[in-house]
Amino acid sequence: NAGVTQTPKFQVLKTGQSMTLQCAQDMNHNSMYWYRQDPGMGLRLIYYSASEGTTDKGEVPNGYNVSRLNKREFSLRLESAAPSQTSVYFCASTIIGANEQFFGPGTRLTVL
Amino acid sequence: EDQVTQSPEALRLQEGESSSLNCSYTVSGLRGLFWYRQDPGKGPEFLFTLYSAGEEKEKERLKATLTKKESFLHITAPKPEDSATYLCAAGSSNTGKLIFGQGTTLQVKP
Repeated sequence: NAGVTQTPKFQVLKTGQSMTLQCAQDMNHNSMYWYRQDPGMGLRLIYYSASEGTTDKGEVPNGYNVSRLNKREFSLRLESAAPSQTSVYFCASTIIGANEQFFGPGTRLTVL
Repeated sequence: EDQVTQSPEALRLQEGESSSLNCSYTVSGLRGLFWYRQDPGKGPEFLFTLYSAGEEKEKERLKATLTKKESFLHITAPKPEDSATYLCAAGSSNTGKLIFGQGTTLQVKP
């Protein structure tokens, strides 16, 4: 089992460009999450999907959109990137609800 | 408001010098208390889940304990390979989410 995979691992964008971060899990988990991690800020929840077909805003959703493509895949889209979105992005999944989450390796994004 | 606070922010130990990391939480409807290890450039790696006060879990040199307000991660005779950032998170059954602390960065010198 690969667990949680994320692509790409690194990305550099110019202000205003768009991109989609991909996440997939092979653990048959129902719930999936997108976090960003910034120095001194800890992990902050951007969006989550409690189950296939549902998505909800987290703590810092502005500037992002998500798609739960199927049970395995959950993508995060930046429509018009801003320097404030420079961060490390982690995808996570769990069987359901507030159980232990399993994280992907992260995407390091720089917006110039 | 649900909140998780970890202390200290950073901890430097000599190899073999035991210590504890603290995680204080205020969460409505605690579903579980989770500990993670994060190495530089990698995603958090799950270590333990604690569900009720008095519960303890052990893994090699690490032991996690839980009270009604705090959790401790005890590190016994640490080695340099234990150097990492340790995150705790509290699960809320009310929201179905995890609330993460800021983490404690541990450095163990040989």
